Amino acid sequence: EVKLVESGGDLVQPGGSLRLSCVASGFNFDDYDMHWVRQAPGKGLEWVSGIDWRGSDIGYADTVRGRFSISRDNTKDSLFLQMNGLRVEDTALYYCAQDLTPRVTGDQPLHHWGQGTLVTVSS
Amino acid sequence: SYVLTQPPSVSVAPGKTATITCGGDNIGTKSVHWYQQKPGQAPVLVLFFDSDRPSGIPERFSGSNSGNTATLTISRVDAGDEADYYCQVLGGNSFHPRVFGGGTKLTVL
Repeated sequence: EVKLVESGGDLVQPGGSLRLSCVASGFNFDDYDMHWVRQAPGKGLEWVSGIDWRGSDIGYADTVRGRFSISRDNTKDSLFLQMNGLRVEDTALYYCAQDLTPRVTGDQPLHHWGQGTLVTVSS
Repeated sequence: SYVLTQPPSVSVAPGKTATITCGGDNIGTKSVHWYQQKPGQAPVLVLFFDSDRPSGIPERFSGSNSGNTATLTISRVDAGDEADYYCQVLGGNSFHPRVFGGGTKLTVL
């Protein structure tokens, strides 16, 4: 059974930093592209960032580029999101999600999702 | 950046067919993926590459994509289908960015 478990969400002041983690199990983590998707309270889904299975191709949404950094440790089956310069508008539930097809970097759906970790940015 | 437009809400009686649209410029040239999200739960992939169903998704869920509109169709709707539905495409030329529609709340009357 595929499991994605996020952690690291917290209440932080504007301008602060957080590091989110996602631990994967039930599949060969190092074969899959991975993503972070967020959902502000009562709002829709917003793709935040993605990283290919090798860790060499990385993308960011315009809203977070320059402030957030995605990485992965395939030896620990883990995905990370370093969030700096946090803003009130970054308040959201952050999901970790896995692409559908192993070792394919391209147009893929997000197949498995974690339950999310809540980031609240407020003074 | 690429924009996807969904109706905020759709209502349907039990046993009837629900149609949820996703509009985008020449969306018919892109692959569209659909997600279902029930309150308090993570999204679930229900259709991918316009009309393929993941394992475990009923045949009642189907899709099409042409021109400027992609469509998710749910036949024989029941109360368990009440949820938010999101369409998603690849907005760029690599594997990012992924673009979501604003979501459609499906209400079963």
